Parts: sequence; C-alpha cells; structure tokens
Amino acid sequence: GQNIDQPTEMTATEGAIVQINCTYQTSGFNGLFWYQQHAGEAPTFLSYNVLDGLEEKGRFSSFLSRSKGYSYLLLKELQMKDSASYLCAVQDSNYQLIWGAGTKLIIKP
Amino acid sequence: ETGVTQTPRHLVMGMTNKKSLKCEQHLGHNAMYWYKQSAKKPLELMFVYSLEERVENNSVPSRFSPECPNSSHLFLHLHTLQPEDSALYLCASSQEAPGDGTGELFFGEGSRLTVL
Repeated sequence: GQNIDQPTEMTATEGAIVQINCTYQTSGFNGLFWYQQHAGEAPTFLSYNVLDGLEEKGRFSSFLSRSKGYSYLLLKELQMKDSASYLCAVQDSNYQLIWGAGTKLIIKP
Repeated sequence: ETGVTQTPRHLVMGMTNKKSLKCEQHLGHNAMYWYKQSAKKPLELMFVYSLEERVENNSVPSRFSPECPNSSHLFLHLHTLQPEDSALYLCASSQEAPGDGTGELFFGEGSRLTVL
C-alpha cells in the first residue's frame, strides 16, 4: 500500500527553528507538496519538490531525497502565526495525491 | 482569500435530510475536487472533475452525489447520510487536470458537516 508518515504534533519556541519530517512509500513519484492549514481555514500551498535538494522560500525551506523517500519542511525564525497544521502529500505514478495525516505545530512564546 | 468559495460553512442535518454543498472557483481553473477531512486522518479524495467531466470517483458511497454544471461550479448533493459522514468537506481547484501540470491545489475553507 501507499503510505505517508509525519509526526502528529510538534512544539517549538518563537524565534527558533523547527524541522517537520515526512517519509513516504508510494507507487512511483511525481513530486512532493507541503501545505499549511490554520485551524478553520483552507490548506494553502507552501512548496513543491520534484528533484532532490533544498528549495528555499523566505523563512521556509523544503528538502527532498527521492532515494530515501524522505522530505522535510524547515521553518526558521518561528512566529506565533506559524502555529498550524502542515500537510505532506506525494503525487504517485498516476498523479494521484497521497496525503499524510498532517503535523500540528504549536509555537510557544 | 484563495479564490475558491464554499457554502455553507457549517451544516447540521439529520440522517433523512437532503442538502447540498456548493463550491465556486474564480481562478479560471480546469479541474475541481471534493475532499473529506476527518480529524487526525489524511485527506480523502472523493471526486475529481476535469473540464466538467468526472475523471475520478474513489469508491464513494452513493449517498454522496457530485454535480459539475460548468468549470467554475461544483456541488456535492447529500442524502440519507450517516453520523460517520460528519467531517470537513473541502473543495479544491487546479489549473490543469492531474498529470497535466504541477498539481498545485487551491482549497476553499470547507463546509463543516454534522450528521445527527
């Protein structure tokens, strides 16, 4: 079967750095997405990785290793507004999105 | 504002009721989706429409009936639901059909459904 694993919940301190990991086992690979979802709001696109390496976008970076079936989302200089759920999703060989259950990130002052 | 609007935001219905969820996208996208989101579970894809034609139906019970009258509007008709159908129903759109583009999705804020 196809599977995406990510931690259920993480806690970090304002101003610090946090890394949210995502491991996947899918039938083929056509890209990995990270989405952010604040409570009661729509998920919003953060990043897309299809090649190995690090993609940096402001305070957020996303890393992919296809050989290891592994990605992480790195959030720097954490702000209270970063408290949200972070969803990892992989496109399989049929371009179907396989979703993780999400990581709830709690930021403390 | 994501460009995808869902109504109603909240809905409470009995098991014998018939109701509909509505989604409208203002982005000029070609594909629209219905997802079910339950607490602590992965998003479950229910239906995909590309250029108003249904391209995917992930073994969804017949008590859920989608309708896509044009590329900007998507409905989910609900009847004789069960309490386990209580969840957040998310609508999304993408520029192209799955496989034709990067696949980035634009989501609405969802309709929170409670079945009594």
